[in-house]
Amino acid sequence: AQSVTQLGSHVSVSEGALVLLRCNYSSSVPPYLFWYVQYPNQGLQLLLKYTSAATLVKGINGFEAEFKKSETSFHLTKPSAHMSDAAEYFCAVKDGGYNKLIFGAGTRLAVHP
Amino acid sequence: GAGVSQTPSNKVTEKGKYVELRCDPISGHTALYWYRQSLGQGPEFLIYFQGTGAADDSGLPNDRFFAVRPEGSVSTLKIQRTERGDSAVYLCASSLAGGGTDTQYFGPGTRLTVL
Repeated sequence: AQSVTQLGSHVSVSEGALVLLRCNYSSSVPPYLFWYVQYPNQGLQLLLKYTSAATLVKGINGFEAEFKKSETSFHLTKPSAHMSDAAEYFCAVKDGGYNKLIFGAGTRLAVHP
Repeated sequence: GAGVSQTPSNKVTEKGKYVELRCDPISGHTALYWYRQSLGQGPEFLIYFQGTGAADDSGLPNDRFFAVRPEGSVSTLKIQRTERGDSAVYLCASSLAGGGTDTQYFGPGTRLTVL
């Protein structure tokens, strides 16, 4: 069965610093992988998705993620954090039937001046 | 265009009562999903509709939970005999057709509190 592990429930960075949010997955089939962001009292918003094309995926708001099959990872990065990036981030994998999403527990990102 | 909408945004009920949660998907989306998000956790899948039919209801926790989508658009999640453990945010999502590369667009959720 597919699963997702997000290392670090809380990450804190300074404004302007690199953001790195970790995601590892397990999947018995070629995976489709997603990163969503959730701002307080708002719904989940798609940041980016990997669909077996390019392994480096660029998303909105300057975020990108690299699919590494050998490491079963799909880490999310942003070169320079903004205060507005403070939110909860969820990594997800599509299940074998390619319909339901299996989510990680989430990582809360704090950005301080 | 309009996104996924959910009503009510908040629902407080007493243990043992019946509740209905409504989801309006993006117009033209044939696939609709319900998830439940407990405090401090990621969303967990409940049920997936393709058109009017439930294609996968493997995530429904027990027979107190039921969902319908009679005309292939609006969906209602129904919970009978609510329990305090049902308290969570219930999220609805829709996508164009379902499938691996399809993006699921989420609504803002309904926060259910069972007293």
